[in-house]
Amino acid sequence: GAVVSQHPSWVICKSGTSVKIECRSLDFQATTMFWYRQFPKQSLMLMATSNEGSKATYEQGVEKDKFLINHASLTLSTLTVTSAHPEDSSFYICSARDNIGSDEQYFGPGTRLTVT
Amino acid sequence: SQKIEQNSEALNIQEGKTATLTCNYTNYSPAYLQWYRQDPGRGPVFLLLIRENEKEKRKERLKVTFDTTLKQSLFHITASQPADSATYLCALGDFNKFYFGSGTKLNVKP
Repeated sequence: GAVVSQHPSWVICKSGTSVKIECRSLDFQATTMFWYRQFPKQSLMLMATSNEGSKATYEQGVEKDKFLINHASLTLSTLTVTSAHPEDSSFYICSARDNIGSDEQYFGPGTRLTVT
Repeated sequence: SQKIEQNSEALNIQEGKTATLTCNYTNYSPAYLQWYRQDPGRGPVFLLLIRENEKEKRKERLKVTFDTTLKQSLFHITASQPADSATYLCALGDFNKFYFGSGTKLNVKP
């Protein structure tokens, strides 16, 4: 089956620094990838839709200058949390849809970000 | 904006029984609905997808119904096992994006 990886699986950073999270589709090409954030015991909140070769589409209330998304290839999207603050601590999950038109989304294992 | 509701209280059932989880939604007409399983600290795992023109779909011990009039989906796990214990999420959307419910935690007791 389709596999999506994320790196790192967890990261601890100091307030004010930036952190980059990678999302890769390992055995398929993904024109579109999605980034979600999940707080403890809450659901996944869609942050943005990442399209290969174009600008990401952000959901209302998500700061595009704070959460930089780059989708440089059909197998890689990155999310950079800039000037991180403790309130950015969360579980970040990406998903990808393959290019053959499947309706299924394949999720990565998630990245736990802790900002101290 | 769309609103997706799943029972926030955990569902506790005995092994072998059928678990039924509910997903209700308002202010939205999704092209399809998906159910996912999520274990603690892990990403969601896809289980089933049902389209707006489908009433029911089955996969092994899983069954999903989709009532677009009631704006409700039911997710059934028959012959439940302790290994089925997890949080189950419903997600509504179309090809462009999905929105998730808050999930229902299922506990299957041996």
